[in-house]
Amino acid sequence: EAAVTQSPRNKVAVTGGKVTLSCNQTNNHNNMYWYRQDTGHGLRLIHYSYGAGSTEKGDIPDGYKASRPSQENFSLILELATPSQTSVYFCASGDPLGGEQYFGPGTRLTVL
Amino acid sequence: GDSVTQTEGQVTVSESKSLIINCTYSTTSIAYPNLFWYVRYPGEGLQLLLKVITAGQKGSSRGFEATYNKETTSFHLQKASVQESDSAVYYCALGAHNNNNAPRFGAGTKLTVKP
Repeated sequence: EAAVTQSPRNKVAVTGGKVTLSCNQTNNHNNMYWYRQDTGHGLRLIHYSYGAGSTEKGDIPDGYKASRPSQENFSLILELATPSQTSVYFCASGDPLGGEQYFGPGTRLTVL
Repeated sequence: GDSVTQTEGQVTVSESKSLIINCTYSTTSIAYPNLFWYVRYPGEGLQLLLKVITAGQKGSSRGFEATYNKETTSFHLQKASVQESDSAVYYCALGAHNNNNAPRFGAGTKLTVKP
């Protein structure tokens, strides 16, 4: 069965520290996405990718970088974490033609 | 640009009562976008509830229904009789249709079903 996994599931970081969130998919989808979910805002797109080696800015890319080293893996990097980045982060893969997305279980990040 | 609006942030319904969650969309990039409802149960990631890709058609799953209305640009989610297990957050979404855009999500509606 197709799957999207995320690691870690929970993370506590200090302000100014570097955080890397990892995502792996076995769907063989070209497109992958990183979202954050906050109460009252729903899902907001941070970065996405069309395939290995590509990254694109979403709606709220400031303070985040992304890396897509392979078809299966897509990372979200916070070089200098801030408390405002405390949130739940979701990774997804998707078929660009059908538009349906498959989501990972989420990572709860707390920046102190 | 494209956008999705869900007007209710939270909805509370008694078990066995009917439910409607409103969703409207706006798009400038494609005439007939694919439309989706996703659901997030407590402690889980989002999962697809239903999908409709043809205007005028109805999608259904787990007792939920949604009709793609091109005239009113709406895709409201309905259920005739909710159960406590339906308590979750529901997201309406407009699908990506090529590599030049990304899916758009509404803000989500948290449904609480009271026993």
